[in-house]
Amino acid sequence: GDSVTQMEGPVTLSEEAFLTINCTYTATGYPSLFWYVQYPGEGLQLLLKATKADDKGSNKGFEATYRKETTSFHLEKGSVQVSDSAVYFCALSGRGNTPLVFGKGTRLSVIA
Amino acid sequence: GAVVSQHPSRVICKSGTSVKIECRSLDFQATTMFWYRQFPKKSLMLMATSNEGSKATYEQGVEKDKFLINHASLTLSTLTVTSAHPEDSSFYICSARGSLGVGEQYFGPGTRLTVT
Repeated sequence: GDSVTQMEGPVTLSEEAFLTINCTYTATGYPSLFWYVQYPGEGLQLLLKATKADDKGSNKGFEATYRKETTSFHLEKGSVQVSDSAVYFCALSGRGNTPLVFGKGTRLSVIA
Repeated sequence: GAVVSQHPSRVICKSGTSVKIECRSLDFQATTMFWYRQFPKKSLMLMATSNEGSKATYEQGVEKDKFLINHASLTLSTLTVTSAHPEDSSFYICSARGSLGVGEQYFGPGTRLTVT
């Protein structure tokens, strides 16, 4: 079945460092891909999405490119801030009414 | 757009009582709603999927008689934890999907349930 694998955390970075969180997927067909962010004590927020190969999703300085050839959707940000500390989930769309398939999440801590 | 609310945000109840959690899509019609449970520092665990007007589909290992899900309208789903016990204490999150879009789900802010 469909699956998402993302890098194990936690990831600790200094403010203004470059961020990469790796995400790869296995799926039949052409799923849409998503990154969600969860701040402490809150639900998940949709951060960005991409619907087809070579699409780049971007939001709040974060970017991810849908790479079909490597089945990847890595999340990047050029300069992280303390406020970016959160858990990040990579996900792909299920078929029909099936739920999103999530990775296990990567905890990011940014220190000043 | 695409706002999902959840109520209550926090609830404390005594063991043996029942608790109802509401999930509402505020600005779109949710054809499908999902209920998740999340343990501290863990990923989401899908409990059930519900389509408006249909019975919910529960994931393996989730007791349908203990976690009652109702999706009576296109904007409201409820989760009732019946005869709650301390081991039911957790963070419960709902999410909703509309008929438009590309499969994304919009999440509520979560409900912290503590059973004493």
